[in-house]
Amino acid sequence: EIVLTQSPGTLSLSPGERATLSCRASQSVSTNYLAWYQQKPGQAPRLLIYGASTRATGIPDRFSGSGSGTDFTLTISRLEPEDFAVYYCQQYGDSPPSITFGGGTRVEIK
Amino acid sequence: QLQLQESGSGLVKPSQTLTLTCAVSGGSINSGGHSWTWNRQSPGKGLEWIGSVFYSGSPYYNPSLKGRVTISVDRSKQQFSLRLTSVTAADTAVYFCARGDGSSFDTWGQGTLVTVSS
Repeated sequence: EIVLTQSPGTLSLSPGERATLSCRASQSVSTNYLAWYQQKPGQAPRLLIYGASTRATGIPDRFSGSGSGTDFTLTISRLEPEDFAVYYCQQYGDSPPSITFGGGTRVEIK
Repeated sequence: QLQLQESGSGLVKPSQTLTLTCAVSGGSINSGGHSWTWNRQSPGKGLEWIGSVFYSGSPYYNPSLKGRVTISVDRSKQQFSLRLTSVTAADTAVYFCARGDGSSFDTWGQGTLVTVSS
């Protein structure tokens, strides 16, 4: 099983600042099957990024994903008030199919 | 727009079986290339994949659930279901159904809280 480790656990930033979130895998993620989600309290996760770097439908371009192999990054270029939430990475392995999530990074208002 | 809605018992006694159903609307459960998945989130914790049924019909489950889980799809009713046997307090969580589009989940239900308690 691939273990995903997200850092930092909590990120304290002000609106307008840049947020950089890390997701490290215990082994290489196949074909960059790495996704990022945003979750707000009491809500289901929302897909932001898939394939490591492709924004999902309707996601603003201030969100960007990068990385390959075992190291991936989600960047929010300028934090908007609605961006303060918890972010999860998720990987998909296809032989056999297996899915794991990272432990999450909370982005909170400083 | 595709919508998913979970339903089922919110309270299950220890050692009994948890059963949830996810109704699919606004789109077809037979649409090609998608998987139908259950994830869960324990109170205050992160997300955990439970299992998925892929377009081929083959189910795959999280090995940590040790044979307690079954996911089935009823295409005629546009729904899929989760069955988790021999539940304990550790199975208390919000359960989400989701549609897989390739390697990620693009549509989620709102989630339903299941509490395991006598």
